[in-house]
Amino acid sequence: GENVEQHPSTLSVQEGDSAVIKCTYSDSASNYFPWYKQELGKGPQIIIDIRSNVGEKKDQRIAVTLNKTAKHFSLHITETQPEDSAVYFCAASATSGGSYIPTFGRGTSLIVHP
Amino acid sequence: DSGVTQTPKHLITATGQRVTLRCSPRSGDLSVYWYQQSLDQGLQFLIQYYNGEERAKGNILERFSAQQFPDLHSELNLSSLELGDSALYFCASSVAAKGQPSTLHFGNGTRLTVT
Repeated sequence: GENVEQHPSTLSVQEGDSAVIKCTYSDSASNYFPWYKQELGKGPQIIIDIRSNVGEKKDQRIAVTLNKTAKHFSLHITETQPEDSAVYFCAASATSGGSYIPTFGRGTSLIVHP
Repeated sequence: DSGVTQTPKHLITATGQRVTLRCSPRSGDLSVYWYQQSLDQGLQFLIQYYNGEERAKGNILERFSAQQFPDLHSELNLSSLELGDSALYFCASSVAAKGQPSTLHFGNGTRLTVT
């Protein structure tokens, strides 16, 4: 099955700095890579996703990059703000019997200091 | 608000007992997924239902079972509970058209504590 490694487990930055979270996956058949943000007491919420036919995708201060050859993908957050503080999860998924079931990384706790 | 409703928010019970967790998916979503989140294991996929039928199975224990009803709500039943079953249980829903990736929308979870 798929295995997703995520680093770092904790990331502390100053407000306004950039933050980068990196993930690797094992299954070369994976072709859909969503990123989720989980705030305290809530469930994970999707913030951006990327498909394997695209190398990069941006949405305002957030960008994701994908290197299929190396089987790694990254989340970049620019101009971080205190409200970006949360746990971020990467995920990778491939179709299995018609279903896409995301396999999640272990999460990165991002702390943005004002 | 994701539109996915989970009840109860908290559940405290004793070892050996049985509990039922309930999930109502977003309006229009046909698929429901159950995940277990613990500190040492992260988010682990348990099971997926699509329009009332089981579609995919993950690391779900035999003591656990689930079902999706005709109105599309789902229940996760956990029996013979052990201390190690203490965790957050999340339900997610999606459109889940066959062969197409779709976004999972998560509820806020049920925190289960087994004493």
